[in-house]
Amino acid sequence: GAGVSQTPSNKVTEKGKYVELRCDPISGHTALYWYRQSLGQGPEFLIYFQGTGAADDSGLPNDRFFAVRPEGSVSTLKIQRTERGDSAVYLCASSSQAAGANVLTFGAGSRLTVL
Amino acid sequence: DAKTTQPPSMDCAEGRAANLPCNHSTISGNEYVYWYRQIHSQGPQYIIHGLKNNETNEMASLIITEDRKSSTLILPHATLRDTAVYYCIVRVGGSGNQFYFGTGTSLTVIP
Repeated sequence: GAGVSQTPSNKVTEKGKYVELRCDPISGHTALYWYRQSLGQGPEFLIYFQGTGAADDSGLPNDRFFAVRPEGSVSTLKIQRTERGDSAVYLCASSSQAAGANVLTFGAGSRLTVL
Repeated sequence: DAKTTQPPSMDCAEGRAANLPCNHSTISGNEYVYWYRQIHSQGPQYIIHGLKNNETNEMASLIITEDRKSSTLILPHATLRDTAVYYCIVRVGGSGNQFYFGTGTSLTVIP
């Protein structure tokens, strides 16, 4: 597609449940990023993929969070045993691999609410 | 990556130029200055970036001081649709380096 697509746009779940959030990056973009944004805050980096591998997962808050990108395109962010503090907008971005400065294109985000 | 300092909020009259400042006094020689904005309920949108020279595109102009310790984003004729949170980020170029967003400047364009 023309842009970064994220599904679902809204997800309401109960504390303790498992959640998957999907990101379809721009076709041909090798780099993919996940961010989390809480109300009133800027986006917080979670994880970065270059191709199929997680090149930097230093932003994942704990081992309940995991992300995959098995074929180097679509990525899924997985959250186990959700907690109320996980409620946020989860943003995905992609970029083409290029030397020098590069630009991220963001999706509209998936809003997660944990009751 | 170097940290940035931005005012938390600004107002601008519609049709006037909006000048958004950013301080990045610890910027390194290989770090670019990027500007993104985020309109309510949308993902951040790229505006412009630069390394040393001033830059201009169809959205805005970026003025970087000679010592590169600060920069200003200029929206030449602000419209109501420019109301958003504007983020200034400094980052080493290349896809292996992350964008770290602060809390940005909330710009309100007033009719």
